[in-house]
Formats: sequence, structure tokens, C-alpha cells
Amino acid sequence: AQSVTQPDIHITVSEGASLELRCNYSYGATPYLFWYVQSPGQGLQLLLKYFSGDTLVQGIKGFEAEFKRSQSSFNLRKPSVHWSDAAEYFCAVGVQTGANNLFFGTGTRLTVIP
Amino acid sequence: KAGVTQTPRYLIKTRGQQVTLSCSPISGHRSVSWYQQTPGQGLQFLFEYFSETQRNKGNFPGRFSGRQFSNSRSEMNVSTLELGDSALYLCASSSGTGGYSPLHFGNGTRLTVT
Repeated sequence: AQSVTQPDIHITVSEGASLELRCNYSYGATPYLFWYVQSPGQGLQLLLKYFSGDTLVQGIKGFEAEFKRSQSSFNLRKPSVHWSDAAEYFCAVGVQTGANNLFFGTGTRLTVIP
Repeated sequence: KAGVTQTPRYLIKTRGQQVTLSCSPISGHRSVSWYQQTPGQGLQFLFEYFSETQRNKGNFPGRFSGRQFSNSRSEMNVSTLELGDSALYLCASSSGTGGYSPLHFGNGTRLTVT
């Protein structure tokens, strides 16, 4: 069965510092992987996605993520965090059945200190 | 293009009542998925509709049902409400064809059951 683990419930970083949010997945085949961000009271916004090909994918707002098959990981990174990045971040895996059901991790809440 | 629109934004209901939530997808999108988000369980997949047919269903009781209309708009119904149904209900749309297409989420309907 597919699952997603985000081991960090809450991360605090200083503005301007680098960021890495961890995501590990469990799925028998090649996964479709996503990172979404959710601001308070809002829905989820897609940051980036990995389907195949280059394992380093670029997303919006200066985010990137690297797919590592050997580690079953898809960690999200940003070289310099802005105060507006404070939000909750969700990693998700999509199954290859043609149906659009995503399995989400439990999320990582990011706090940015000025 | 207008985004995914969910109405209403907030609902307060009493145990035992029923509720209907509405979702208008992005123009041209034929797939609509529904998710429940709670602090304890996180984001959980409810069901997906594509061209008026339920294509996939999550592990929720039969009190949760949905439908999709010919214009791709979707409704979700919850009957005999329980306190545990209090949650943010998110709708997401996608093109739903040609492989895996990313989901675009609405801002959700916050349901409170008292």
C-alpha cells in the first residue's frame, strides 16, 4: 500500500536561512510525487511535481525538490526562506491507476523568524 | 481562468442533519476529487468523479456521497452528521486525462457539527 511520511511536524527557520523539508514515500511502482503548500484558511497550492526524467525538479516560489529512488525520498528545498513562506507543506504520492486520488503526508508546519 | 470555487465557505450544522457542499471546477476540467482535512487524520481522499461517473472512492462510510453534473460541477452530501464530521472539505479539479494531471484545490468548506 502507498504511504507518505513527513517526519518533521514543525520546523522553525530564520528568514534568509536555507530550508529542507523531508518526505519519504512507500509505493511499489514509480510514483508520481507532489509538494503542496497551504496557508491558513486556504486550499492547497501546487509547488512542484515529479513524474519522470530529471530527478531535480524546480517549482514555484524558488522551491526545488530532488527525487531519490534509492532512499524513497522527495525532499523539498529552498536556498533562502522568506517570511511569506510560513505555511504548512504537504508531500503527496499519486497512484498510477488513472484516478486522481493522492495520498498525503501529515504535513510540516514552517515558522519563519524575522 | 477562474480557480476552483467551493460554496459555502463555512457551515454550522447539528448532529443528525445532512449537508450538501458544492464545487465548481476550473473551466475545461472534467475530474473533481473531494478530500477531508482534519487535525487528527490529515488529508484523506473521499472520492473522485470524472465525466459524471465515480471513478474512485476512499474509505469513508456510505453517509458520504457525491455526484457530478454534465457541466462538471460537483456536490458532496453527508447525511446523519456526526461530531467527527467536523472538518475542512476540499475539492480539487484536474483535466483527468492523459496520464497523471495535477490537482488544483479550492479554498474549502469549513463544516462544524455541534
